[in-house]
Amino acid sequence: AQKITQTQPGMFVQEKEAVTLDCTYDTSDQSYGLFWYKQPSSGEMIFLIYQGSYDEQNATEGRYSLNFQKARKSANLVISASQLGDSAMYFCAMREGGRDDKIIFGKGTRLHILP
Amino acid sequence: DVKVTQSSRYLVKRTGEKVFLECVQDMDHENMFWYRQDPGLGLRLIYFSYDVKMKEKGDIPEGYSVSREKKERFSLILESASTNQTSMYLCASTPAWGRAPSSTDTQYFGPGTRLTVL
Repeated sequence: AQKITQTQPGMFVQEKEAVTLDCTYDTSDQSYGLFWYKQPSSGEMIFLIYQGSYDEQNATEGRYSLNFQKARKSANLVISASQLGDSAMYFCAMREGGRDDKIIFGKGTRLHILP
Repeated sequence: DVKVTQSSRYLVKRTGEKVFLECVQDMDHENMFWYRQDPGLGLRLIYFSYDVKMKEKGDIPEGYSVSREKKERFSLILESASTNQTSMYLCASTPAWGRAPSSTDTQYFGPGTRLTVL
């Protein structure tokens, strides 16, 4: 079973609109961390935002915010006022708090911002 | 600024060749990772290392080996390259992880190596 599920392989959004990229996760650990990364066409992975499982507030970083719904095991990335430069691949990832020291990635969502 | 560099952006090799992919980080990070990225499959962990000379298998280690002789350098080796190893290879590093996940677990990635095996 997939631990990180990103159900939207691709999305097209008009410039200046808000965007929500979906991410659901599967873990039995109480302690875990969730990450979002952006990968432009250049290929380099860029860290966007982090949410810890015990964080009471949703994480925010500039135009990025995380809609964290723990009971539903979802951690959707919200991009406000989208820009052409937001066109990229976006990955959701998770580190669990157990002994398994690795980060698991979802398959990604390709976002296209239309002028 | 953390910098992770990879030896090549693009590499073309022939089936059966031994291939070395090098990754160097300059932030004294303990952890280093090798992933491959394929369309529709996301990033899959090949190997990681949490200290010099230490290595752990990831999800898809078959056909690969690694070497970490110095803290800043983590090498991925394809002993006998095959066409199904044509992929984008990404290296990443992080400081040592504590017991509980935290924002310092953020991975810093290199620019990637696009390997084509003919």
